[in-house]
Amino acid sequence: NAGVTQTPKFRILKIGQSMTLQCTQDMNHNYMYWYRQDPGMGLKLIYYSVGAGITDKGEVPNGYNVSRSTTEDFPLRLELAAPSQTSVYFCASSYGGSDEKLFFGSGTQLSVL
Amino acid sequence: GENVEQHPSTLSVQEGDSAVIKCTYSDSASNYFPWYKQELGKRPQLIIDIRSNVGEKKDQRIAVTLNKTAKHFSLHITETQPEDSAVYFCAASRTGTASKLTFGTGTRLQVTL
Repeated sequence: NAGVTQTPKFRILKIGQSMTLQCTQDMNHNYMYWYRQDPGMGLKLIYYSVGAGITDKGEVPNGYNVSRSTTEDFPLRLELAAPSQTSVYFCASSYGGSDEKLFFGSGTQLSVL
Repeated sequence: GENVEQHPSTLSVQEGDSAVIKCTYSDSASNYFPWYKQELGKRPQLIIDIRSNVGEKKDQRIAVTLNKTAKHFSLHITETQPEDSAVYFCAASRTGTASKLTFGTGTRLQVTL
């Protein structure tokens, strides 16, 4: 199993540009998440999904959108990128229910200049 | 919502010494408390977790204690080794809430020879 795979690993955007961060998992996990990690600030939940077709906002959803058309994929869309979105983004998944262990992807370093 | 505070932000210990990291949480309904380790440039990985029906849990050199009354929990690492050097994050959530973890801000542990 590859686990949780994120692409790209690095990206530089200009202010106002848009992009999609890709995330796929092959563990048949029900739950998927997007977190952002800012220096000294821990991990903040952006959006999460408990299954295909179901998404919900986390703590910091503004400026982002997600979709979950399949169990495996959970892309994160950034519209009109702003410098405040410069961060490291982690996708994660878990089986759900009583199994709450998160499996993280390798992260995407995004800079908005 | 939940608020998790973590201390200290940095911790330096000599190899072989013990390290303790402390977290407090605000939501008395939180009942799941994991700890994640993130090595430099790597993804966070779960190292140990505890549920509110247990006061202490051990796994080899690491242990976690929970005081529900005071709403704090701690990570204890004994006989520290250089490979323990990393950033450690505590987190809290309510079981059954899609593992919407609230993370602490992290502790950078440096184990010196």
